[in-house]
Amino acid sequence: SQTIHQWPATLVQPVGSPLSLECTVEGTSNPNLYWYRQAAGRGLQLLFYSVGIGQISSEVPQNLSASRPQDRQFILSSKKLLLSDSGFYLCAWNRDTEAFFGQGTRLTVV
Amino acid sequence: AQTVTQSQPEMSVQEAETVTLSCTYDTSENNYYLFWYKQPPSRQMILVIRQEAYKQQNATENRFSVNFQKAAKSFSLKISDSQLGDTAMYFCAFMRYGQNFVFGPGTRLSVLP
Repeated sequence: SQTIHQWPATLVQPVGSPLSLECTVEGTSNPNLYWYRQAAGRGLQLLFYSVGIGQISSEVPQNLSASRPQDRQFILSSKKLLLSDSGFYLCAWNRDTEAFFGQGTRLTVV
Repeated sequence: AQTVTQSQPEMSVQEAETVTLSCTYDTSENNYYLFWYKQPPSRQMILVIRQEAYKQQNATENRFSVNFQKAAKSFSLKISDSQLGDTAMYFCAFMRYGQNFVFGPGTRLSVLP
């Protein structure tokens, strides 16, 4: 069965520190992968999506970057976090008509 | 580009009553999929119901059903016999086959005892 793992669940980081959030998928191959950000009580903002290894599309210019080093691995990174990077980050994948979400990471930048 | 609109930022309903959440979308595509996702306080995204645009019959899942009006580009969610556990954010989403999701802004539903 298909599963998606996202970690860590919560993270508190100081301003200016680096960030690395990881997402891995099991039970499928060549999925589309996504990173979303959700501010408190708000909707989902698509940050990045990837249709294959090394292929990244950015939806919103920002302080973040994404990479897909392997077919089922998607990483969200930042070299220097800003206060405005705080939020809830969701990884997701879809293929054909199925879609699955990770548990999310609550990031607080202090 | 596709857009999804949810015109009700917040709604409330009494326990055991019925509530309908509205969703409209804009697309020039003919083949696509529509979804309702529930996000409880845990923030986990849970699929509630899915509708294929080529199917005229409205999808149902237990207490959840949709009213899909393709010509009007409307996709409302009806929750019958509301339960306290239905309290959550509800997101309507559009997806072309194998393409990325487009989400609406969400409706916060509160079920009152």
